[in-house]
Amino acid sequence: EDKVVQSPLSLVVHEGDTVTLNCSYEVTNFRSLLWYKQEKKAPTFLFMLTSSGIEKKSGRLSSILDKKELFSILNITATQTGDSAVYLCAVLTNTGNQFYFGTGTSLTVIP
Amino acid sequence: GAGVSQTPSNKVTEKGKYVELRCDPISGHTALYWYRQSLGQGPEFLIYFQGTGAADDSGLPNDRFFAVRPEGSVSTLKIQRTERGDSAVYLCASSLMRAGGGTDTQYFGPGTRLTVL
Repeated sequence: EDKVVQSPLSLVVHEGDTVTLNCSYEVTNFRSLLWYKQEKKAPTFLFMLTSSGIEKKSGRLSSILDKKELFSILNITATQTGDSAVYLCAVLTNTGNQFYFGTGTSLTVIP
Repeated sequence: GAGVSQTPSNKVTEKGKYVELRCDPISGHTALYWYRQSLGQGPEFLIYFQGTGAADDSGLPNDRFFAVRPEGSVSTLKIQRTERGDSAVYLCASSLMRAGGGTDTQYFGPGTRLTVL
């Protein structure tokens, strides 16, 4: 059965800390892995990763994929209170165009 | 519109009633997805449309759930004989089809929070 597992489930840090969120997956016919940030209702897109070892970067956020070990990490440096959210990892397969989501990591950044 | 829109934003109904949830995707996006998200969980896939047809409805939990997209744009998720366990946020997402096949990044709507009393 295809599955996506995120860790940790929740995390509390102080402003300025650096955090690393993990996403591991077991899917058939992997196509790409996506990271989303969910603050209220709608997840907002952060990154899409298709190739191993190529870092995607946007400001203080960066992510990388390891297709051999079947995982991805999302790094956030110099965290701010506005980074508080649930971070979702989703994997897209070539079969049926389904997106499989993990349960998310709840990040709380305290001043 | 600029993004995916969903209506209503909140729906409270009684057990056994019928509800319809609407999704208006980004213009030009041929792929449309419905998800259900319970508290503390990631979105759970329900159904995927490519154009007007349901390309994959394997996530629909039972025959009380049905979705349509008659003109390949707006979609309606229909739930018959609602149960308390149907309470969740229902998310809709749309995406472009890539050249050569396959879908691209999904863009989510704000969701509809359904509460079945």
